[in-house]
Amino acid sequence: EPEVTQTPSHQVTQMGQEVILRCVPISNHLYFYWYRQILGQKVEFLVSFYNNEISEKSEIFDDQFSVERPDGSNFTLKIRSTKLEDSAMYFCASRAGQGGLGYEQYFGPGTRLTVT
Amino acid sequence: AQKVTQAQTEISVVEKEDVTLDCVYETRDTTYYLFWYKQPPSGELVFLIRRNSFDEQNEISGRYSWNFQKSTSSFNFTITASQVVDSAVYFCALFESGAGSYQLTFGKGTKLSVIP
Repeated sequence: EPEVTQTPSHQVTQMGQEVILRCVPISNHLYFYWYRQILGQKVEFLVSFYNNEISEKSEIFDDQFSVERPDGSNFTLKIRSTKLEDSAMYFCASRAGQGGLGYEQYFGPGTRLTVT
Repeated sequence: AQKVTQAQTEISVVEKEDVTLDCVYETRDTTYYLFWYKQPPSGELVFLIRRNSFDEQNEISGRYSWNFQKSTSSFNFTITASQVVDSAVYFCALFESGAGSYQLTFGKGTKLSVIP
């Protein structure tokens, strides 16, 4: 069964460093997402991406964040200068398209980012 | 105002007891989807069920059942004869397709502990 994959599973970085979180969505999916979950809290939407551009972003997704689909398979989230409060689990998700089953988002296993 | 409210923060039950997790949502869309996800201690998000706004039929899948009531904007989840492996955080989520917002909005989650 196709699945969303994410690398690395755990990333430790120092404050102020840049990090890139990688995701490989399901191959025929068209819509891609990043969500964040601070430890013990709810899952929060960061950004959605369609047709090679951002379609929606939340207030959390400020200028320190960027997303890219550098090739036909990867979808990345870059945090330019990490802060302590960026420590969280980051989930990538993808969905096929419009209507019914197309709205179902498939989540990757997450990348736990720890900023020290 | 919260779009998805899970009023129960934590629930503890003894193994084999039935337990119901509550979810109340708020939306102006006529077309929307509701989801339940399970997050075990390992951290991944496991999809459990998707229900669209036009389908109010209750659903049973093994020990799991879901009660969707549009009149009260609720989508409750019942686990029958709970098991220790059911211990996890359970999230209810809303997808509103009509407003042009294609993100999932999660509730804060209910932590279920099943005691042997």
